Amino acid sequence: DGGITQSPKYLFRKEGQNVTLSCEQNLNHDAMYWYRQDPGQGLRLIYYSQIVNDFQKGDIAEGYSVSREKKESFPLTVTSAQKNPTAFYLCASSTGQSTNEKLFFGSGTQLSVL
Amino acid sequence: QKEVEQNSGPLSVPEGAIASLNCTYSDRGSQSFFWYRQYSGKSPELIMSIYSNGDKEDGRFTAQLNKASQYVSLLIRDSQPSDSATYLCAVIEGGGSQGNLIFGKGTKLSVKP
Repeated sequence: DGGITQSPKYLFRKEGQNVTLSCEQNLNHDAMYWYRQDPGQGLRLIYYSQIVNDFQKGDIAEGYSVSREKKESFPLTVTSAQKNPTAFYLCASSTGQSTNEKLFFGSGTQLSVL
Repeated sequence: QKEVEQNSGPLSVPEGAIASLNCTYSDRGSQSFFWYRQYSGKSPELIMSIYSNGDKEDGRFTAQLNKASQYVSLLIRDSQPSDSATYLCAVIEGGGSQGNLIFGKGTKLSVKP
């Protein structure tokens, strides 16, 4: 079945630690996105990538980093510089030809601070 | 910063009633509008998109767009308990078909049996 797989479902971070959230898609989509969702809030864009080996900052990129070495994969690292990382993180993809089209979302990763 | 505003709710309606969800946006140049449904702890799923002024119907769902008033709404007819979820309004920043999606904070809908 085609889709987007995020792992892990739950992740705990210790003070000063970097953690990496995985996002893999087998939809052959060019564009991939990372969003952060806080309770009672909408989705805020962290980073996006329209093509392999290229990515752009979204509205809240500080304290995060990404890579796009393969079309299928767009991992997000939450660095120690992100002082308030507790949130629900959603990865999404689209064909990238137009943002009028549907975004396909993964099932999300809930990150909490120990 | 472009904004998308929604009442957070909760909006409570009885089963079988019409639920009306509203959204306003600040970017007058926006051309593309979307409604996503998100069940608690799950990822959003697209239920409607609308690009032209007027109404667009899909089953029990109707999206309404008024660009002059910068207002988009979602009507759910014959509401069911399974419609209980948070509904997110999203708007593409700027004009045209390219640009980032700006999401509202969502309206929580509760349909009572």
